[in-house]
Amino acid sequence: QKEVEQDPGPLSVPEGAIVSLNCTYSNSAFQYFMWYRQYSRKGPELLMYTYSSGNKEDGRFTAQVDKSSKYISLFIRDSQPSDSATYLCAMSVGNTGKLIFGQGTTLQVKP
Amino acid sequence: KAGVTQTPRYLIKTRGQQVTLSCSPISGHRSVSWYQQTPGQGLQFLFEYFSETQRNKGNFPGRFSGRQFSNSRSEMNVSTLELGDSALYLCASSPGQGTSYTFGSGTRLTVV
Repeated sequence: QKEVEQDPGPLSVPEGAIVSLNCTYSNSAFQYFMWYRQYSRKGPELLMYTYSSGNKEDGRFTAQVDKSSKYISLFIRDSQPSDSATYLCAMSVGNTGKLIFGQGTTLQVKP
Repeated sequence: KAGVTQTPRYLIKTRGQQVTLSCSPISGHRSVSWYQQTPGQGLQFLFEYFSETQRNKGNFPGRFSGRQFSNSRSEMNVSTLELGDSALYLCASSPGQGTSYTFGSGTRLTVV
């Protein structure tokens, strides 16, 4: 079993939809939780960075962390075709520089 | 502010050869991590350097090695290349404690 599980999709939604992306994890020692977006032929781009449990909002993006359930989510409101990419969750124990990634979810937003 | 720069962008090597990849972190960033990305395994951690010292290492064979210079630039070396080493190699940098990592665009290595 992988430490971080993420549904690879693909996920296809119409423009303007609310998108929900999720990851589950098994290591209760994870403290830092991140969401990255990766376009084809590019490196991952950091979207959200949270420490411990709770919600964090940045524009159309909201990240949620539920440590009791070992579950994190990323919500995208008013999705746009430009949001079409692969979304990766990542986690770390402390600040070791060692990020454990989910497999990534491929999202397509259709105009 | 310049981002993380990786060179070269693309590389084709023959099985058995060795290769060196380079990463220039964002100015002021002292931590550099390396990752291998493949369709089957996703993103996997190789190692991390902080102030020229390897601070953490992933589960890769000894053929994979790295180093960091005093200006924080980092290199990764893979010896005796195998076909399975074909992947996108990503470098990420961070200022240090409790901060997030910024990735470069990667080096696409193809082993033939």
